[in-house]
Amino acid sequence: EAGVVQSPRYKIIEKKQPVAFWCNPISGHNTLYWYLQNLGQGPELLIRYENEEAVDDSQLPKDRFSAERLKGVDSTLKIQPAELGDSAVYLCASSGDRGETQYFGPGTRLLVL
Amino acid sequence: GQQLNQSPQSMFIQEGEDVSMNCTSSSIFNTWLWYKQEPGEGPVLLIALYKAGELTSNGRLTAQFGITRKDSFLNISASIPSDVGIYFCAGHTTGNQFYFGTGTSLTVIP
Repeated sequence: EAGVVQSPRYKIIEKKQPVAFWCNPISGHNTLYWYLQNLGQGPELLIRYENEEAVDDSQLPKDRFSAERLKGVDSTLKIQPAELGDSAVYLCASSGDRGETQYFGPGTRLLVL
Repeated sequence: GQQLNQSPQSMFIQEGEDVSMNCTSSSIFNTWLWYKQEPGEGPVLLIALYKAGELTSNGRLTAQFGITRKDSFLNISASIPSDVGIYFCAGHTTGNQFYFGTGTSLTVIP
């Protein structure tokens, strides 16, 4: 069974440029999460989807961040425009029907110059 | 968001030694999870605990779900160099939210 897939693995951009990250969860997993992880810290939730519905986006900086999961499967997280402070690891995770166990993708490492 | 209290923050041990780390929270959780993260990778699930008092093993790893549901422990026996990494705890709520610890960085000296 394939795990959570994320792309790209690494991204270097200049500030004020847009950037997008893609995630494909484990097959059959209805819940999808996007997390931000700063160096030396644990993951912090940005947005959670139940199927195609964003049920928790309270921590998503909506002035520059957006996300979508149109068909309830894969998802895209976008930043426009990127700022220096956005440099971090962006992790995608998914969980199944019971929702009690969560599996992570390898993450996208973003560097904003 | 809420982050759990995880200790110790870092550990430097000799190969073959046992390791203990723990995680505490002011909130009750329904599930406790332990992950390991290596450089350049995402967290990998090691052990999941679903009931208060539960003790679960995965090879040399043993974890326990605290009776108060506010804490959890992870032990690694007979450490080896490939145990190096950052270990995170995570608690899961009935609202389908996960909260993470700040991580324990483990270094194993051969």
